[in-house]
Formats: sequence, C-alpha cells, structure tokens
Amino acid sequence: EDQVTQSPEALRLQEGESSSLNCSYTVSGLRGLFWYRQDPGKGPEFLFTLYSAGEEKEKERLKATLTKKESFLHITAPKPEDSATYLCAVQAGGADGLTFGKGTHLIIQP
Amino acid sequence: EPEVTQTPSHQVTQMGQEVILRCVPISNHLYFYWYRQILGQKVEFLVSFYNNEISEKSEIFDDQFSVERPDGSNFTLKIRSTKLEDSAMYFCASSRTDGFMSPLHFGNGTRLTVT
Repeated sequence: EDQVTQSPEALRLQEGESSSLNCSYTVSGLRGLFWYRQDPGKGPEFLFTLYSAGEEKEKERLKATLTKKESFLHITAPKPEDSATYLCAVQAGGADGLTFGKGTHLIIQP
Repeated sequence: EPEVTQTPSHQVTQMGQEVILRCVPISNHLYFYWYRQILGQKVEFLVSFYNNEISEKSEIFDDQFSVERPDGSNFTLKIRSTKLEDSAMYFCASSRTDGFMSPLHFGNGTRLTVT
C-alpha cells in the first residue's frame, strides 16, 4: 500500500526564517511526486511535479527536491502570504489516483 | 486563468437521501477526478474518468457512488443513500492529459454534511 508521511504537522516561522518541510513516501514504482498548496476553504493548488531522484524544481521562494525515499520543500525567506497547508502526494506506476499526506500547516508570522 | 468550478459550495442532506455534486472542469481537459477530504484527514482519491468511462476507482468508491458526464461540460458525482460518514469536502479535479504529465487542477470543493 502506498503511503505518504509529512512532517512536521505544523510549523510556525517568523517572516524571513527559512525552513524545510519533509515528505517521506513508500510507493510501488514512483511515477511522480507532487506538491500542492491548500488555503483554508479552497482546493489544492499545484506547485511542483518531481519524477526522479535528484530532481529539483523552484518557484519563487520554494524549492522542491526528491530522493528515493523522501522529498523536501524548502522555503527561503518566507512571507506571511506563504502561510498555507502544503500537501505532498505520490502517483504509483499504472495508477491514476494520487495518494496524499496529511500536510504541513505552515504559519508565517510578520 | 481557467478554473474548475463546483456547485453547490455546501450541501446539507439527511441520511438516506441521494445527492448530486456538480463540477465544470476546465474546457480543454480530458481527464476528470473526484477526491474527498474528511475533516482533519487526508485528501483521498475516489475515481478517475476518461473518454466517458471510469478509468480507475478506489476502494471507497463502492456501489453507493456513481459518476457521469451528462453533457460536454458537466461532470457529476452521485451518492445514493447517504450515510453520516459521507460527510466530507468533495473536490473535483481535471487535467489536460493523464495526471502524470499534466498537473491536476482542483475546484474549491463542495462541503457535504449528512445529518
């Protein structure tokens, strides 16, 4: 059974204080690992897809990396508008559905 | 930017009633999905739909559930004889090609409350 575990469950940072969110996964034949952002009362919003170990993707203050067992979402000099729940999901080979983690609830204080 | 739209935003129903949740996917997308999120829990895959048929369904998607694309724009999820445990946020999503090569775009969900 595919599993995704995210840590920490919640993280409170000061504005400008960089940190990393972790996503550990077990999946039968990783097809892709996805990062989404979810704001309260909204649907998940796509951030990144990573396909193979060693791959990195960047967007503004966010950088996602992937190894064979985990992915990190690095946030550099965050701003209050980066506050959200960040979701990690994996897609197994031959599957349509994504398996999500519970997310990391990130709060950036001004 | 094109969006996935879902209606209603909140649906309250009594146990045993049937509900239909509606979605309008992005117009040039070919793959459609339903996910659900019980309060405080993970987003869970229910079903994927392509070329007017179910492509994959999870264990959650039992005979109580059905999906339909009744016309060229709408995609619906029907839940027959709702149970208390069906209370959740239901998200519709679509993708241009299969979700591997093109990302899923999610709507803002329908909150279903079964009383």
